[in-house]
Amino acid sequence: QVQLVQSGAEVKKPGASVKVSCKASGYTFSGHDINWVRQATGQGLEWMGWMNPNSGHTGYAQKFQGRVTMTRNTSINTAYLELSSLRSEDTAVYYCARIGYGSSTIDRWGQGTLVTVSS
Amino acid sequence: DIVMTQSPDSLPVSLGERATINCKSSQSVLYSANNKNYLAWYQQKPGQPPNLLIYWATTRESGVPDRFSGSGSGTDFTLTITSLQAEDVAVYYCQQYYNTPWTFGQGTKVEIK
Repeated sequence: QVQLVQSGAEVKKPGASVKVSCKASGYTFSGHDINWVRQATGQGLEWMGWMNPNSGHTGYAQKFQGRVTMTRNTSINTAYLELSSLRSEDTAVYYCARIGYGSSTIDRWGQGTLVTVSS
Repeated sequence: DIVMTQSPDSLPVSLGERATINCKSSQSVLYSANNKNYLAWYQQKPGQPPNLLIYWATTRESGVPDRFSGSGSGTDFTLTITSLQAEDVAVYYCQQYYNTPWTFGQGTKVEIK
């Protein structure tokens, strides 16, 4: 079955960077775009951007331009999200998510990775 | 950016009764070339990631119970749960994927009255 398994929780200091991984299984990794969405505690969902695992092409929400990098390693079916210059407002659960063929939107989600930014 | 506004924010409903959630987009999400509305609905239970219920505004995802249905076009959409079950207690989000940045509504919390 389709699975997206993310790396564990992180605690970072303001100004640092964090890199979250997302390992895909149960489907052809290169065949589906990966998106990243975050959710602060008790808040709504915020879309960060997308990556095509086949080409490596990416598109980022303007809010995160210059601070976010989405990459992948196709040999191990893993996508990565790196966010730099962290501030307290970046404390959130970060989700990787797959885009479905038929729906053209997010049809599978990772379990989420809590990133806490605190001095 | 397209702003998605849901109503109500909170919805108490008795078991077995109908729940109706509204979602309004700040601009049309209907793509005229294929006549599809780029609108999805998700259910999120505490401590879990969201789960896709409906896409193209009206198409139910595989495995989703048929008590869930979506309707609407253009800028106004509705998610209906025809007979609320205890396991439907959750927060529901609409989302547009017409253009980037993809955006979500603020969420509607459905609870048992």
